[in-house]
Amino acid sequence: EIVLTQSPGTLSLSPGERATLSCRASQSVTSSYLAWYQQKPGRAPRLLIYGASNRATGIPDRFSGGGSGTDFTLTISRLESEDFAVYYCQHYGSSPLFGPGTKVDIK
Amino acid sequence: QVLLQESGPGLVKPSETLSLTCTVSGASISGSTYHWGWIRQPPGKGLEWIATVYYSGDTFYSPSLESRVTISVDTSNNQFSLKLYSVTAADTAVYYCARLLLRGRVYFDYWGQGTLVTVSS
Repeated sequence: EIVLTQSPGTLSLSPGERATLSCRASQSVTSSYLAWYQQKPGRAPRLLIYGASNRATGIPDRFSGGGSGTDFTLTISRLESEDFAVYYCQHYGSSPLFGPGTKVDIK
Repeated sequence: QVLLQESGPGLVKPSETLSLTCTVSGASISGSTYHWGWIRQPPGKGLEWIATVYYSGDTFYSPSLESRVTISVDTSNNQFSLKLYSVTAADTAVYYCARLLLRGRVYFDYWGQGTLVTVSS
């Protein structure tokens, strides 16, 4: 059974800084099945990235995804105030699986 | 625009059955490209997939919940539903319904706003 690990648990940064979030799978996974979501307090998750590196409709280009095999990253090139949130990676093997999340908060 | 809306009781007693319905608008639940699913989030915790259903009635369940869950689809009303039996306080969570693309790429692209279900006597 695949396990997804996200690091760090919390990332404290200032607006304008670059954020790099990691999602690691316990075994090699299919990149096509790797997605990232953003969740703000009291709101439903929002799809950011699918297929490891494809931005969803309406997602700003400061968000980018990459990686393959067991290691994937979500990068926010320059943090804006609305980007402070929790980010989840998700993989579909035999069923959907979410990582534990990374909280990006204001330093 | 695709919209999903959860409905159902916000309070369920321990040992009883949690029942939720998701009404879909802006898309046909009978389309062949998508599955439809439920995800939950206990207060202050992460996301947990519960189950998905295809318009044909094919169902898929989380192994950890499979013995207590039923998901079903009602194509005539463009809805799908969740039943979780024998609930305990550990089932207190925000329950989301969502659309799952399962072709080539796999992701949940549209989500309902979520509904908080509290299990308490």
